[in-house]
Amino acid sequence: GAVVSQHPSRVICKSGTSVKIECRSLDFQATTMFWYRQFPKQSLMLMATSNEGSKATYEQGVEKDKFLINHASLTLSTLTVTSAHPEDSSFYICSALPPGSYEQYFGPGTRLTVT
Amino acid sequence: KNEVEQSPQNLTAQEGEFITINCSYSVGISALHWLQQHPGGGIVSLFMLSSGKKKHGRLIATINIQEKHSSLHITASHPRDSAVYICAVNFGNEKLTFGTGTRLTIIP
Repeated sequence: GAVVSQHPSRVICKSGTSVKIECRSLDFQATTMFWYRQFPKQSLMLMATSNEGSKATYEQGVEKDKFLINHASLTLSTLTVTSAHPEDSSFYICSALPPGSYEQYFGPGTRLTVT
Repeated sequence: KNEVEQSPQNLTAQEGEFITINCSYSVGISALHWLQQHPGGGIVSLFMLSSGKKKHGRLIATINIQEKHSSLHITASHPRDSAVYICAVNFGNEKLTFGTGTRLTIIP
């Protein structure tokens, strides 16, 4: 099946620094990728839809200047958490959507801890 | 309003038992997905359905479009099936709307 990777899998950073998370589709091209956030024992919350070559579409309540998304190629989207604060600590998951399909392939997730 | 409801929220069963997890949704859909999330956090897509029934190994997923309802069944359950199972739906676009998940624990 299709494979999506995420890097890093785990990151600890100090408050005020920025962290970049990469999401790659390894064996297919994805014009659309999604970024999710998940709090403990809760379901996934969609943060934004990342479209190759265009600006990301953010969900209501998600600060686009805080969570910068870049989808520079058909296999790579990045999420940068800028000026991270402890409340940004969470599990971030990406997914990639092959063209013409509804089936999303999920990355393994990145656990961010901001101290 | 586009909503997805799952039940039960938690389910504990003995190894070997037949497991059923239910999912209901509010309006017409393009597709319904069953996802599995293990404690490490990774999510695996088990099934994508728009009608009928699909089977993979010990897992069976069914959907009734008229009743707006889907079920995920696990036969001969095993401790390694312990995970969170999530129902997610495409309400006419590419975005997924997620159910709250069912935490399944299979006791040896």
